Amino acid sequence: DSGVTQTPKHLITATGQRVTLRCSPRSGDLSVYWYQQSLDQGLQFLIQYYNGEERAKGNILERFSAQQFPDLHSELNLSSLELGDSALYFCASSVAGVSADTQYFGPGTRLTVL
Amino acid sequence: AQSVTQLGSHVSVSEGALVLLRCNYSSSVPPYLFWYVQYPNQGLQLLLKYTSAATLVKGINGFEAEFKKSETSFHLTKPSAHMSDAAEYFCAVSGGYNNNDMRFGAGTRLTVKP
Repeated sequence: DSGVTQTPKHLITATGQRVTLRCSPRSGDLSVYWYQQSLDQGLQFLIQYYNGEERAKGNILERFSAQQFPDLHSELNLSSLELGDSALYFCASSVAGVSADTQYFGPGTRLTVL
Repeated sequence: AQSVTQLGSHVSVSEGALVLLRCNYSSSVPPYLFWYVQYPNQGLQLLLKYTSAATLVKGINGFEAEFKKSETSFHLTKPSAHMSDAAEYFCAVSGGYNNNDMRFGAGTRLTVKP
């Protein structure tokens, strides 16, 4: 158990809908990262927050957005969903949000778009 | 920008045999390198990381990796495979103190035969 929690574990929705994925980091970690894992794209970095502020952006679509709240939990919002958005979405957290940090991964949210 | 290439999407070894998973990296700055393991239906777990200290890095579960700058490699080894080592292994690179765009390889699925 990494100490990172993600809810829900599974999500099934329809095209065009909007969903919110939630992540709680390990106690003491200030930085949160979001990743998308799919069969065709592999594991892709989406976005990173540090203490409430966006720090780095990867391959995140404009239809996707995220935020980190004062209690350090984070939410990833996915809108206008397409079939291709079906994937595993992982949240990770680290202490200081720097490159040398170990990132601790949550168990993931499996999103299925029908 | 950083990238990693994992050679071999599938590796199969017999129980007790040497495990060798290959990873080559590309980075314009001194890299930080990581190996993660993913068991079915779970998140990623850190095996070991290189952060410019010793070039031979020892990790959990008997795994180790050697950073070779001249070969731009960071191969993962374990002297004797166990059935419990069967999983997907990911090499990852990040670089620059505040460059948190961690790039993962495509992964290598390790099968251990009895």
